[in-house]
Amino acid sequence: QQPVQSPQAVILREGEDAVINCSSSKALYSVHWYRQKHGEAPVFLMILLKGGEQKGHEKISASFNEKKQQSSLYLTASQLSYSGTYFCGTETSGGYNKLIFGAGTRLAVHP
Amino acid sequence: NAGVTQTPKFRVLKTGQSMTLLCAQDMNHEYMYWYRQDPGMGLRLIHYSVGEGTTAKGEVPDGYNVSRLKKQNFLLGLESAAPSQTSVYFCASRTLSGGLQPQHFGDGTRLSIL
Repeated sequence: QQPVQSPQAVILREGEDAVINCSSSKALYSVHWYRQKHGEAPVFLMILLKGGEQKGHEKISASFNEKKQQSSLYLTASQLSYSGTYFCGTETSGGYNKLIFGAGTRLAVHP
Repeated sequence: NAGVTQTPKFRVLKTGQSMTLLCAQDMNHEYMYWYRQDPGMGLRLIHYSVGEGTTAKGEVPDGYNVSRLKKQNFLLGLESAAPSQTSVYFCASRTLSGGLQPQHFGDGTRLSIL
């Protein structure tokens, strides 16, 4: 079942912060975050594992609440380059490393 | 360092025609995936493979077939194309260890069915 992302869209001024949420009804092993710019392939941002391990870019932070099966991506001091669509992909235990992606959150950062 | 390469990048087909999309990766990854992405929507998993000679159905497998005869290649076939299959198709690969290793995506194939 597809994870639910919120909000669907966000508009920011450069320097502002945003939080993007991802919620699943299934017990998760990991949550992956990707950013996609128009006409391009998704680019990896962050992986969060059940148990607390995580890996990602220095300027990106995220959290994973295992009890609620929810993850949040925190974008601070936004830059113009942060614009794009953010997707979370969820992986369940025994899921053969396959991800089910949410519908995406569109982020626009303006000067 | 090519990573994941998709061929072709663009294609226009007529309804009922067949074609094969090729995905090649040079990272020795075990897992490979085919997704479709419709305008304004997320990625939906079509089929995936956990190793050479294996394939499995994803969320939206109908109308597609796949083969993984060689570890580095994952082929997606449309036997009789339909307008509903107009989409951008992405291939991805991932190492066997999974865990903290991400999926690596190709640049996509933009397919239009008339």
